[in-house]
Amino acid sequence: RKEVEQDPGPFNVPEGATVAFNCTYSNSASQSFFWYRQDCRKEPKLLMSVYSSGNEDGRFTAQLNRASQYISLLIRDSKLSDSATYLCVVTPKMIKAAGNKLTFGGGTRVLVKP
Amino acid sequence: GAGVSQSPSNKVTEKGKDVELRCDPISGHTALYWYRQSLGQGLEFLIYFQGNSAPDKSGLPSDRFSAERTGGSVSTLTIQRTQQEDSAVYLCASHRGVGTDTQYFGPGTRLTVL
Repeated sequence: RKEVEQDPGPFNVPEGATVAFNCTYSNSASQSFFWYRQDCRKEPKLLMSVYSSGNEDGRFTAQLNRASQYISLLIRDSKLSDSATYLCVVTPKMIKAAGNKLTFGGGTRVLVKP
Repeated sequence: GAGVSQSPSNKVTEKGKDVELRCDPISGHTALYWYRQSLGQGLEFLIYFQGNSAPDKSGLPSDRFSAERTGGSVSTLTIQRTQQEDSAVYLCASHRGVGTDTQYFGPGTRLTVL
């Protein structure tokens, strides 16, 4: 079983709609969680960190469910520019610790269509 | 300021040849990672350098792969006797190592083994 698993998609989303997807992780000692965004043929870039209480950044909401060992990302009012692959990232240490080794999921592809 | 740079951006080589890929991290970043991404796949961790500590080589797929980081800055990933399955985008990332939760990725080197 992979350490971090994601539905590869693609999720075909009408412009303006809401889309949500999850990422499961196998290591119960995981402490830090992130969502990265990767555009086609580009390098990944940090989208947002995921905190225990959940957090929101504009149209993006991230949640953590430790009991079931998954994190989620919800995108409201989808824009065409949201089309990308969203990578779930997990580390075993706290965010402030030095030298965290990130484990990436395979990514979920989202396609927003007019 | 300058981001993570990688060279070459593209490399085409023949099976059996050796290749060297270079990464220049952001100045002052003590942690440096190498990842590999095959077409349509997620990121595969290869190796991780943190300051003067021994590198974490647990992701290197075979003994044909090696990496060095000289002077705590520039890193070189070497692949000996390349095989067609080595074809992928090789991504380098760096971060400050302490008190930060963002990895900054370079644009990658696209390696094609004929």
